[in-house]
Amino acid sequence: SQQGEEDPQALSIQEGENATMNCSYKTSINNLQWYRQNSGRGLVHLILIRSNEREKHSGRLRVTLDTSKKSSSLLITASRAADTASYFCAVSSASGYSTLTFGKGTMLLVSP
Amino acid sequence: GAGVSQSPSNKVTEKGKDVELRCDPISGHTALYWYRQRLGQGLEFLIYFQGNSAPDKSGLPSDRFSAERTGESVSTLTIQRTQQEDSAVYLCASSLVLRGETQYFGPGTRLLVL
Repeated sequence: SQQGEEDPQALSIQEGENATMNCSYKTSINNLQWYRQNSGRGLVHLILIRSNEREKHSGRLRVTLDTSKKSSSLLITASRAADTASYFCAVSSASGYSTLTFGKGTMLLVSP
Repeated sequence: GAGVSQSPSNKVTEKGKDVELRCDPISGHTALYWYRQRLGQGLEFLIYFQGNSAPDKSGLPSDRFSAERTGESVSTLTIQRTQQEDSAVYLCASSLVLRGETQYFGPGTRLLVL
């Protein structure tokens, strides 16, 4: 399966701390994306990193990609209570038709 | 333009009834996707459309599920003879093109089968 697998399943931190979530996958990819979901509703795209990129930043978000280890990490710096949500990685396979395959997500709780 | 919209937001139905869920993608997006998400779980891919065509229906859970798309726009997901295990949030997403690009999600339809 090419499915992204997030780790940890749940993460609880205090406001101001950094949160790191990891994603592993099994096949060659075109890109890897991170999404956020609040309260079981629609997902919101956060950031896309292509297979030839190693690191990408967007505001307080930093994503790394290690294709040799087939893994990615999402770092949220200086977390806020409003960052509380579920975070999913999704991989776009380099072969076959290219829908995204989502992992099961990491549930992040940021306490004030 | 507007984002992806889905209707209804919530649907409560009795076991055995048919339900129809609607998705309006972002205008101009050629690719459209349906997912199912059970409570506390990840996204389960159901089907995608490239234009009005759905080349691979193998992700649909059973033959009670069907989907269509017309005018390279609106899509409907129909569940016949609903079962309690069909209870979930059904999410629709669209993207400009099919090839692994960013997907834009609707708010979902929360289906409860009693």
